[in-house]
Amino acid sequence: GESVGLHLPTLSVQEGDNSIINCAYSNSASDYFIWYKQESGKGPQFIIDIRSNMDKRQGQRVTVLLNKTVKHLSLQIAATQPGDSAVYFCAESANTGGFKTIFGAGTRLFVKA
Amino acid sequence: GAVVSQHPSWVICKSGTSVKIECRSLDFQATTMFWYRQFPKKSLMLMATSNEGSKATYEQGVEKDKFLINHASLTLSTLTVTSAHPEDSSFYICSAPLRTDTQYFGPGTRLTVL
Repeated sequence: GESVGLHLPTLSVQEGDNSIINCAYSNSASDYFIWYKQESGKGPQFIIDIRSNMDKRQGQRVTVLLNKTVKHLSLQIAATQPGDSAVYFCAESANTGGFKTIFGAGTRLFVKA
Repeated sequence: GAVVSQHPSWVICKSGTSVKIECRSLDFQATTMFWYRQFPKKSLMLMATSNEGSKATYEQGVEKDKFLINHASLTLSTLTVTSAHPEDSSFYICSAPLRTDTQYFGPGTRLTVL
């Protein structure tokens, strides 16, 4: 069935370092991928997205990489700050799936000051 | 940016009662909205797709008679948890797409069933 999963459930980084969060997906039909940030007790917050016709997209301090060959997605956060501490989810959707967004397991990012 | 609200933000109810949760798109119209539930330290699990003017589409394993969904207008979807039990306690989150695929999420509703 469709699934999106993460390799690492917890990631701890030093403030100022770069963070890399990985995600694997299994649905070949997925053509849109999104990274969300969720703070405790709140709804997911959009960070960055990428479509299947791209392999890299950059935002402010964040970069998403997509490798369709191995069905792998990653989120890179540059100069990680304490405010980046949260749970990060990758998610996928497909035009053929009615744009339902399916979430991965999530990675908790701890930023040490 | 697009804003989605939920009401209430938290609710405590007795076992056997029904609870209604509202999801509103505040500055855009949404013919489709999505409902998720999230257990502590777990991911969001899609429950159903709410369709304006027609029946909701439920994911496999989700009881449609247990979780009633009504999408009465282009800005409002409601989720009613009927005859709630402690195992229904969870964080319920809705989302609405601004365009065809970019989802904007509500702040969530914490349901505790005693």
